[in-house]
Amino acid sequence: QSVLTQPPSVSAAPGQNVTISCSGSSSNIGDNYVSWYQQLPGTAPKLLIFDNSDRPSGVPDRFSGSKSGTSATLGITGLQTGDEADYYCGSWDSSLSGVWVFGGGTKLTVL
Amino acid sequence: QVQLVQSGAEVMEPGASVKVSCQASGYTFTKYEITWVRQASGQGLEWMGWMNPNTDNTGYAQKFQGRVTLTRKTSITTAYMELSNLGFDDTAVYYCARGRRTLVRGVLRYHFDYWGHGTLVTVSS
Repeated sequence: QSVLTQPPSVSAAPGQNVTISCSGSSSNIGDNYVSWYQQLPGTAPKLLIFDNSDRPSGVPDRFSGSKSGTSATLGITGLQTGDEADYYCGSWDSSLSGVWVFGGGTKLTVL
Repeated sequence: QVQLVQSGAEVMEPGASVKVSCQASGYTFTKYEITWVRQASGQGLEWMGWMNPNTDNTGYAQKFQGRVTLTRKTSITTAYMELSNLGFDDTAVYYCARGRRTLVRGVLRYHFDYWGHGTLVTVSS
């Protein structure tokens, strides 16, 4: 059971838009920044969004992030078949001595 | 360019220890943390701990406390993750990643911007 809650799967057709939610609590998302990671099949995770909504250079602006209270959202517009991957949210959790927490991951299928 | 190159796959017996290395290049090794994340087959990402190569400070997930040790050798810009008393459920791909941590007005900005390719550790008798 992950500390951050994501839907196990989402799907949409090419060209459509999709959002992936990430729900946490005051000690993690509520108090700290959120980042998102994309993991294409058989590869290492890659940073997609950091500091809630910033994109590293090279990440297309089709990808966006937002945060409100204790939840965060990853948005992808104009879906492409190459976007089919697992997506993970993550945040620092300030409870106890502090740890990093990931969501359980969301499998995006582009139909 | 920033690169994190990990050591090769390992097959270990139950009860043994494994040490995975992560050699960094393309940046100043002591200016960024190294974090370790593992992923069992078909499962999600599991954070194990972090290490500051400059101060040698570390932090571990409660699940791995007492069983994992993160170290580094700055002269060869390499970080290490050692996991002891291996069980079958430790079979996983282990990743190192570069961590960027800053505190802005009391709010922690922390993320992992570069990742190693992963090291498969198989625990088998």
